[in-house]
Amino acid sequence: EVQLVESGGGFVQSGGSLRLSCAASGFIFSRYWMHWARQAPGKGLVWVSRINSDGSTTNYADSVKGRFTISRDNAKNTLYLQMNSLRAEDTAVYYCLRAPGGADDYWGQGTLVTVSS
Amino acid sequence: QSVLTQPPSASGTPGQRVTISCSGSSSNIGGNYVYWYQQFPGTAPKLLIYWNNQRPSGVPDRFSGSKSGTAASLAISGLRSDDEADYYCAVWDDSLSGVVFGGGTKLTVL
Repeated sequence: EVQLVESGGGFVQSGGSLRLSCAASGFIFSRYWMHWARQAPGKGLVWVSRINSDGSTTNYADSVKGRFTISRDNAKNTLYLQMNSLRAEDTAVYYCLRAPGGADDYWGQGTLVTVSS
Repeated sequence: QSVLTQPPSASGTPGQRVTISCSGSSSNIGGNYVYWYQQFPGTAPKLLIYWNNQRPSGVPDRFSGSKSGTAASLAISGLRSDDEADYYCAVWDDSLSGVVFGGGTKLTVL
């Protein structure tokens, strides 16, 4: 069974940093592109970033470019999102996902990041 | 303001057919596959439609997707009370080099 389990969310002051992790299991992690998306309270889904299977290619939404860094450790089956210079508008539930791409579409349960101004 | 435009709300009565639109441009819908998600409060989104009009196993055939040019739509027929949820379209955008989601449509079953 495919599982994606995020961790590392919490409360942080504006300007601070946080690193999210996503532990993957049930599939060959090293073969897949992986993404982060987020959803502010009461708002819609927003894509944040993606990384290719070996970590050599990354893309970011303009809103996080230069502040967030996506990475992965294929030996540990883990995806990361390093978030620096956090702002109040970064407050959201952050989802790790192996999607979109086809019928096999998987999302984690999400981890809440709250940035206090 | 999302790159993909969805109506903020839609509604229908049980048994009716409802359509949710998603309008984009040549850099996203016009040249790439469209996906549709269903989301209930407090839960992660669930894939309803992939590759414009394909249903994953387990998704009822009451849900269907279509695409024409730079617009896509999700149709729900035989509306049920448990279809009440938020619906999002998603697509890769070549200009932005990223995935874009529509703003979401809240479906109410009257």
